[in-house]
Amino acid sequence: KAGVTQTPRYLIKTRGQQVTLSCSPISGHRSVSWYQQTPGQGLQFLFEYFSETQRNKGNFPGRFSGRQFSNSRSEMNVSTLELGDSALYLCASSGPGLEVYEQYFGPGTRLTVT
Amino acid sequence: LAKTTQPISMDSYEGQEVNITCSHNNIATNDYITWYQQFPSQGPRFIIQGYKTKVTNEVASLFIPADRKSSTLSLPRVSLSDTAVYYCLVGDRASYGGSQGNLIFGKGTKLSVKP
Repeated sequence: KAGVTQTPRYLIKTRGQQVTLSCSPISGHRSVSWYQQTPGQGLQFLFEYFSETQRNKGNFPGRFSGRQFSNSRSEMNVSTLELGDSALYLCASSGPGLEVYEQYFGPGTRLTVT
Repeated sequence: LAKTTQPISMDSYEGQEVNITCSHNNIATNDYITWYQQFPSQGPRFIIQGYKTKVTNEVASLFIPADRKSSTLSLPRVSLSDTAVYYCLVGDRASYGGSQGNLIFGKGTKLSVKP
C-alpha cells in the first residue's frame, strides 16, 4: 500500500502571498488531519477532515483553511503568509472508519516564508 | 487529554536496552497510551499503544503499572537508526480515534544512540 503523499515537499514563499499544500491519504483512509511543526512550538494540530467535513479545528487563525475532496484527498491553504508560518506541515491519514486510532503521517511539506 | 511529562533527552549505546518513561498523573479511565517515533524532517510513526499491563510488538514493549499514572517504552538492543524523538500521548479513542486528528504532542524525548 502506498503511504501518505504530500506535495510539494519544499516551498519558498514571500510574506503576504498565499500557499496551497496537498495531501493524498492512504487508499481507503477517509480521515485526514493537518499539523504544523516548528522548533519552538513542536507539533500542533491544525484541523481534521472526515468524509469532506471538518470535524475538528485547532487554535490557528482563519488564514489557515482546508478542504477535503470526495476521493479523500485534502488541501490546506494559508493566506497572507507571515514569517512565523515557516514550518513543516504534516498530513496524517487514518481509517477507513472512525474507530481506528493509528495515524499515518506523510513526509511533510517544508514551507519557508521570506 | 491528559498532560504527559517525559525526559527531554536520553543517550544510549548500540546494543543496549533503552527505557523511556512517561508520566501522566491525570490519566482518565478511558485513556489509552500511545507512543510515536519521529526522525528529522519526517512525520511521526506509530510505535505502540496500550491500556494496561504490558504490550509487545515487533519493535517495542510498553509497560503500564496498575495505577496507570506512568508508562515505559522499552526499545530492546537499540541501533544507530533508533536515534529519533519519541512522543508519549495519552487520550481516549474518541479524542484521537473517533475524532482522528486531535493528537496532542508534547516536546518528546530525543534519544541519541552512539556507536
